[in-house]
Amino acid sequence: DGGITQSPKYLFRKEGQNVTLSCEQNLNHDAMYWYRQDPGQGLRLIYYSQIVNDFQKGDIAEGYSVSREKKESFPLTVTSAQKNPTAFYLCASSLGGQHKGELFFGEGSRLTVL
Amino acid sequence: AQSVTQPDIHITVSEGASLELRCNYSYGATPYLFWYVQSPGQGLQLLLKYFSGDTLVQGIKGFEAEFKRSQSSFNLRKPSVHWSDAAEYFCAVGTYSGGGADGLTFGKGTHLIIQP
Repeated sequence: DGGITQSPKYLFRKEGQNVTLSCEQNLNHDAMYWYRQDPGQGLRLIYYSQIVNDFQKGDIAEGYSVSREKKESFPLTVTSAQKNPTAFYLCASSLGGQHKGELFFGEGSRLTVL
Repeated sequence: AQSVTQPDIHITVSEGASLELRCNYSYGATPYLFWYVQSPGQGLQLLLKYFSGDTLVQGIKGFEAEFKRSQSSFNLRKPSVHWSDAAEYFCAVGTYSGGGADGLTFGKGTHLIIQP
């Protein structure tokens, strides 16, 4: 079945450590996205990528980094510069290009900083 | 810049009663509008979408939404709710540049509680 796989589902990190969240899709979508979700805040866009080897900052990119070396993969690194990293992180994909279609979401990764 | 407002943070509805969740958007161009549902600890599932044409759109699970350009609204409705409808509901507007899809801008969500 086609879909988006995020791992790990739960992750604990000590302050000062970097952590990388994985996102893989087999939908053959061109565009991929990372959102952060906090209670009562909705979803906020961190980074997105419309094609391989290219990505753009979203609304809250500070303290995060991404790469897009393969079409299927869009990992997110939460760096020690992110001041409040505890959150639920959602990866999504879409057909991209000129397709004005919906986003398809993974099941999310919950990061807790101890 | 685009924005989405969901005025109701929480809504409580009795099982079997009708439901309307409100959504207002601000976007300079033709809006592409979406409603998603999220169960606790899960990802988001698309309920329905509006791109153009008929302003009343039908979705999954018996949901529908009506686009009203004059009111900048895209309210979600269901004639009779079931206990399984308890979840978080998000309205979103699509943003697009010359290069393609820039993502969706989401409202802050409405938490739906179903009373027996």
